[in-house]
Amino acid sequence: DAMVIQNPRYQVTQFGKPVTLSCSQTLNHNVMYWYQQKSSQAPKLLFHYYDKDFNNEADTPDNFQSRRPNTSFCFLDIRSPGLGDAAMYLCATSRDKGGGQTQYFGPGTRLLVL
Amino acid sequence: EDQVTQSPEALRLQEGESSSLNCSYTVSGLRGLFWYRQDPGKGPEFLFTLYSAGEEKEKERLKATLTKKESFLHITAPKPEDSATYLCAVQAPANTDKLIFGTGTRLQVFP
Repeated sequence: DAMVIQNPRYQVTQFGKPVTLSCSQTLNHNVMYWYQQKSSQAPKLLFHYYDKDFNNEADTPDNFQSRRPNTSFCFLDIRSPGLGDAAMYLCATSRDKGGGQTQYFGPGTRLLVL
Repeated sequence: EDQVTQSPEALRLQEGESSSLNCSYTVSGLRGLFWYRQDPGKGPEFLFTLYSAGEEKEKERLKATLTKKESFLHITAPKPEDSATYLCAVQAPANTDKLIFGTGTRLQVFP
């Protein structure tokens, strides 16, 4: 089945220690997104890639970076995690840009910062 | 400012007791409204997309409807396995790549 895959499902890191979360997709979609979801809150868009074109949300902290080496893979790098970065990180994809495009989510990676 | 408000925050139903969840939005020129189901510790699972007022979509015990100001997710004769958080999200013309989510309705269906 075509899907969005995230690894690892759970990640524990130390305060200030860089961490990378990964996402892959078999849907062959052009757009990949990263959302942050804190407990009992709505998902919040951090950034997205349309093909290789990177689009950052205005309020995304500089501590968060992303890479998309090819169509199938996208990475979220947190350069110096703080306690406030503990959250569920969701990867999503859509076939194309523009209104009305459905976004399909992966299972998420829960990040714990000690 | 584009906003999505979901109500109620939490809903407890007995198995078989039908009800509706509400999603109201303040978006000019809606490009799409999306319903997702989210189980604890998992990513949102896509349910429906609605594009224009009057549109309805159905899937098993769920039916989504859309007006110019709100959407309803009707649950008919729910079962315990329908227990989850239901998220509503919209796309606005200003940034069609961004889903603006509500905080969800946490549904519990007990036998």
